[in-house]
Amino acid sequence: DAGVTQSPTHLIKTRGQHVTLRCSPISGHKSVSWYQQVLGQGPQFIFQYYEKEERGRGNFPDRFSARQFPNYSSELNVNALLLGDSALYLCASSSTGTGEFSGNTIYFGEGSWLTVV
Amino acid sequence: GNSVTQMEGPVTLSEEAFLTINCTYTATGYPSLFWYVQYPGEGLQLLLKATKADDKGSNKGFEATYRKETTSFHLEKGSVQVSDSAVYFCALSETGTASKLTFGTGTRLQVTL
Repeated sequence: DAGVTQSPTHLIKTRGQHVTLRCSPISGHKSVSWYQQVLGQGPQFIFQYYEKEERGRGNFPDRFSARQFPNYSSELNVNALLLGDSALYLCASSSTGTGEFSGNTIYFGEGSWLTVV
Repeated sequence: GNSVTQMEGPVTLSEEAFLTINCTYTATGYPSLFWYVQYPGEGLQLLLKATKADDKGSNKGFEATYRKETTSFHLEKGSVQVSDSAVYFCALSETGTASKLTFGTGTRLQVTL
């Protein structure tokens, strides 16, 4: 079975531009979360969606937005890119919205490397 | 708020040496605790987890015990291999919350022959 898939794997954008990152969860998983991992640091939680509704939001500016589609895939959008947005963006999926509370494991994709120049 | 503190790396060990990577946490309620591993150029993989106090998570020779009294979840392995070279992240999630993990800053492990 396919794991969590993300696209694109690498991209370069200019300051001020907009970017859309895509994620397909594991088949049967209804929850998708997004994380930002800046080089040399641990991932930081951005959003979680479950059944197409936002269930959690981290401490990120409004330039960051996301949505989940009926097939449970998800997009992360970042507007007005800044140099500091350069990072690895990780998508994670789990079968329920409550993650480990119900004993479900959260699985990560390999990420999308974004470089802002 | 929640936080996870890991020992700083890099940690350099010879093959077959004993490994300990310290992890302590701050959280309200009763979090679940995890160790994730990130190999070069790859995403995060769950290594092991523990969901309640005194639970021991184990996988691939790695172990960690959930110690509520010391708010710790130290990762150990009795004999490391070159293939264990990676970055290790300690993380927590709070009971009943959305799939939100709080990660430490990661500890790079390099194992040499």
